[in-house]
Amino acid sequence: DIQMTQSPSSLSAYVGDRVTITCRASQSISRHLNWYQQKPGKGPKLLIYAASSLQSGVPSRFSGSGSGTDYTLTITSLQPEDSAIYYCQQSYIIAQYTFGQGTRLEI
Amino acid sequence: QVQLVESGGGVVQPGRSLRLSCEASGFTFSFHAFHWVRQAPGEGLKWVALISSDGYRKHHAESVKGRFSISRDNFKNTLYLQLNSLRPEDTAMYFCARDNGDPLPAFDIWGRGTMVTVS
Repeated sequence: DIQMTQSPSSLSAYVGDRVTITCRASQSISRHLNWYQQKPGKGPKLLIYAASSLQSGVPSRFSGSGSGTDYTLTITSLQPEDSAIYYCQQSYIIAQYTFGQGTRLEI
Repeated sequence: QVQLVESGGGVVQPGRSLRLSCEASGFTFSFHAFHWVRQAPGEGLKWVALISSDGYRKHHAESVKGRFSISRDNFKNTLYLQLNSLRPEDTAMYFCARDNGDPLPAFDIWGRGTMVTVS
């Protein structure tokens, strides 16, 4: 299976800051990379798909980039409601979808 | 309102069975493939199973192959996961998720989950 490694595992930031979370795949995944946000007691929410496409309804302060094995999620102008755990996911090989271990963001 | 609602979780003894359901509303259920994803307490997300829109193609993670089975009823707008021969390590919140159908697929709608405890 393709392994996904996220960093950092946790971070703290202030309202208005810009943060970046990185995700590295164990092999090239050709932009088959998605980002999700999960808040306590809820199912994950899709933020970014295909590495850089913003999901409908998601604020434009969220953005994604990357190619090959390395990808990033950037959140600008942090808001209190952005406190959550963020997961990357690769969908390169059908039925072998794997997630990163998660990044806990505290505002 | 587009939503998925899971049900059927509970506390079950090792070796027993359980069937989870996921009822969809607010969109055309039969147009989409669906997934089950689980999350052990305090842990990350793990993909469990996938079913095509017509129900004919199914895939299961190696860790559950032969024990779990995904299915769907397009007339009832409902997705299922049959869990057999349950083990303590199957204890988790189980989420259903809709496949967005993109060539670079993602899971665009998720339910709130149903908890399965094997003890």
